[in-house]
Amino acid sequence: LAKTTQPISMDSYEGQEVNITCSHNNIATNDYITWYQQFPSQGPRFIIQGYKTKVTNEVASLFIPADRKSSTLSLPRVSLSDTAVYYCLVGAAYSGNTPLVFGKGTRLSVIA
Amino acid sequence: NAGVTQTPKFQVLKTGQSMTLQCAQDMNHNSMYWYRQDPGMGLRLIYYSASEGTTDKGEVPNGYNVSRLNKREFSLRLESAAPSQTSVYFCASSLLGTSVGHNEQFFGPGTRLTVL
Repeated sequence: LAKTTQPISMDSYEGQEVNITCSHNNIATNDYITWYQQFPSQGPRFIIQGYKTKVTNEVASLFIPADRKSSTLSLPRVSLSDTAVYYCLVGAAYSGNTPLVFGKGTRLSVIA
Repeated sequence: NAGVTQTPKFQVLKTGQSMTLQCAQDMNHNSMYWYRQDPGMGLRLIYYSASEGTTDKGEVPNGYNVSRLNKREFSLRLESAAPSQTSVYFCASSLLGTSVGHNEQFFGPGTRLTVL
């Protein structure tokens, strides 16, 4: 499984765009990139998944460069309720059901 | 739909006691998982069940056992609890095997376990 590296923590003011970058230098051809969000005292929840270029949904955008060795989760105009831990996971499209690995994530603190 | 439910929500045990954490999902998912999360840490996989009738060890299986009772239910048992097992335990499920295309995992609310 590809190892991921992401910042331990980030701070942002309300209304700003937040970009969290994840490095995955040994990503394999079949690997997808998935991001989860975890609020305090709750289980993680899926935010977005992509393979290449750009993916956008109602919550976030995911930018993946051509070499796919990194990815950036973009949260537009964050609010206090976006304070959470964000996890980047990389895993194969099919790998015999080998689970993806959650690292320590990035703790985002949004300040008023 | 209730999604993923876990019982109990809180539990305090003494060292050496045993207990079973229950997890159920009503989404007709094939795969189920047990994670633990220690303060300030990410999630670590204890055991998982890719499909009914199969279970596999994850990253930190020592001290735990699991049972995939049926497609809906996946239980985690601590045979002889130790203080090092104090943690928050999350159960999750996904429709397909963990890394097949859209592999979204749905998590339960967690069980907060303290071992004295």
